[in-house]
Formats: sequence, structure tokens, C-alpha cells
Amino acid sequence: AQSVTQLDSQVPVFEEAPVELRCNYSSSVSVYLFWYVQYPNQGLQLLLKYLSGSTLVKGINGFEAEFNKSQTSFHLRKPSVHISDTAEYFCAVSDQYSGYSTLTFGKGTMLLVSP
Amino acid sequence: EAGVTQFPSHSVIEKGQTVTLRCDPISGHDNLYWYRRVMGKEIKFLLHFVKESKQDESGMPNNRFLAERTGGTYSTLKVQPAELEDSGVYFCASSYTTSGANVLTFGAGSRLTVL
Repeated sequence: AQSVTQLDSQVPVFEEAPVELRCNYSSSVSVYLFWYVQYPNQGLQLLLKYLSGSTLVKGINGFEAEFNKSQTSFHLRKPSVHISDTAEYFCAVSDQYSGYSTLTFGKGTMLLVSP
Repeated sequence: EAGVTQFPSHSVIEKGQTVTLRCDPISGHDNLYWYRRVMGKEIKFLLHFVKESKQDESGMPNNRFLAERTGGTYSTLKVQPAELEDSGVYFCASSYTTSGANVLTFGAGSRLTVL
């Protein structure tokens, strides 16, 4: 079984500032890692994923995340945020061996970008 | 390609009533998942269909919930009778069956409010 911890329920930030949303996971097996975003009144959209290879993963809208196996982390970063990045962000994991992606999600982090 | 479509987007019912949520997956996706987010909590797995068969229904809360996937196409999730604690957002997701990572595409969700 896996678990995901998103320590920050809300992250307020000013426009054009950098941001990091933290995600730590726990698993007894190797995992795939995902970040999903939910904009207001919309569904969950895949932001980026780590499956294998380079530990630095780039996603849509200028976001990137780095997989750190030793620290079991997959933090999401953006060097300069926009008002339009205001949304809820979810970190999720699935194990590599189940054959089916039953995702385990964190509680979500609300990113609030103000002018 | 059309995305995952869910209907209704919002349903308000009274305790004891019945509600049926519908999900139309992306055409050709064998895998269909239902997840639920209760307010303030994580998004949690409910069940997984492969075509018309239930592959995993370990996340279904109790026997008031009934999911079907007729002919391996669209799926319905019926709650009967609804209780207050069933309120939340119900997400549907679909994916192809692959030998590697199984990346889910989510719908916009159906918000259920039980009064």
C-alpha cells in the first residue's frame, strides 16, 4: 500500500514569485508519480508524471517536478507563477507492479496567486 | 478526441433518495475508474472496470453503492438510499490497457449534495 503526504493545504504567493508545492510518499515498492491540477469548476488535469529515466520532469504551463528516491519526494515547482495558476494541486502515486493504476492521492494543496 | 464526460455536474437530493451518476469514458478505453472526494479529504478510489467486468471494487463504501458498465462502454454509479456522508465529488477516469504505466484521464466530476 502507498500513502501520499502534501504538507501544505494552502500556499499563498504573489504573482511572478517562485513556488514549490511539497509531496512526500511512502511505498514498499517502486512507484509512478503524478501531479494533477484542478482549476476552479473544472476536472482533474494531468500536469506531469514521472515514470522512469530523468528525475527532473517537465509538465504543462511551465511546471516541473523532481523525483528524489532517497527522500521519497516529488516536489512541484514553478519559477514564476501567474494569477491563472490559482488552482488545487494533487500529488498521486501508483505502484509499478499491480498492472492497473489505482492511484493514491494526497489531500491536495490550494495554490492562491495574488497580484 | 472527446474527453471523459460525466453527468450530472451537480445533483442535490434529500437523504433517502436515489441518485445515478453517469460516466462516458474516452472511446476505446478499456479501463474505467470511479473515485470520490469527500470535502476536506483525499480523492479516494472506489472501483475499477476492465471493459464490462469489475476488476477491483475494494474502495466501494457499502452496499448502497452499485456500479455498472453496460457493454463495456459508459458506466453508472447508483447510490440508494443516499446518506449525508455520501456528499462529495465523484470523479470518473479512463485509460487504455498497456504493459507500462497506465495514465488516467479524469472527467470534470459530479458533485453530489445530500441534504
